[in-house]
Amino acid sequence: NAGVTQTPKFQVLKTGQSMTLQCAQDMNHEYMSWYRQDPGMGLRLIHYSVGAGITDQGEVPNGYNVSRSTTEDFPLRLLSAAPSQTSVYFCASRRAGSDAQYFGPGTRLTVT
Amino acid sequence: QKEVEQDPGPLSVPEGAIVSLNCTYSNSAFQYFMWYRQYSRKGPELLMYTYSSGNKEDGRFTAQVDKSSKYISLFIRDSQPSDSATYLCAMSSPYQGGSEKLVFGKGTKLTVNP
Repeated sequence: NAGVTQTPKFQVLKTGQSMTLQCAQDMNHEYMSWYRQDPGMGLRLIHYSVGAGITDQGEVPNGYNVSRSTTEDFPLRLLSAAPSQTSVYFCASRRAGSDAQYFGPGTRLTVT
Repeated sequence: QKEVEQDPGPLSVPEGAIVSLNCTYSNSAFQYFMWYRQYSRKGPELLMYTYSSGNKEDGRFTAQVDKSSKYISLFIRDSQPSDSATYLCAMSSPYQGGSEKLVFGKGTKLTVNP
């Protein structure tokens, strides 16, 4: 049981490039979320999903897209990377009816 | 006024000390209160979860919620070097997206010195 996994662990992008951060969970959790963590800003919700085919925006959704075609996977797409998107990105999942969120190890992204 | 305020510290204590970590909040709709522990370069892990006012104890950890004052605390007794981490408070309202819209404090960095 791997829990929540994220790839890659580190990534450097140039401004304007696009990429997809991968997130997968093997706990059959219905709910999945993406957060970014910045110094002095704490964790902020980007997008979340309450089940396959259902997504919604969080606090800071601009510049990011998500889709949820399966229960297990919840990729985060950066459409055109900007230096302001330099951050640590965490994926999380939880079972419906529980408030316990399980976080992945994070992806450290630098946009130059 | 920010929804959740948390003193970022850093906080440095000797081993065996009692540690008190606190958050204040402004949204009276918050009903679920959590504490997460985050070790350096790792993802947060849920430490304590409480609903509404009162105390909850789990081993050396006690979470306290005072809804009348909009104030939550986490106490660590007999602190150990392995408790050195950043502690994040988080809260949510069932009427505003539930756990999908957790609002986090900025975290307090704690170091317990042997």
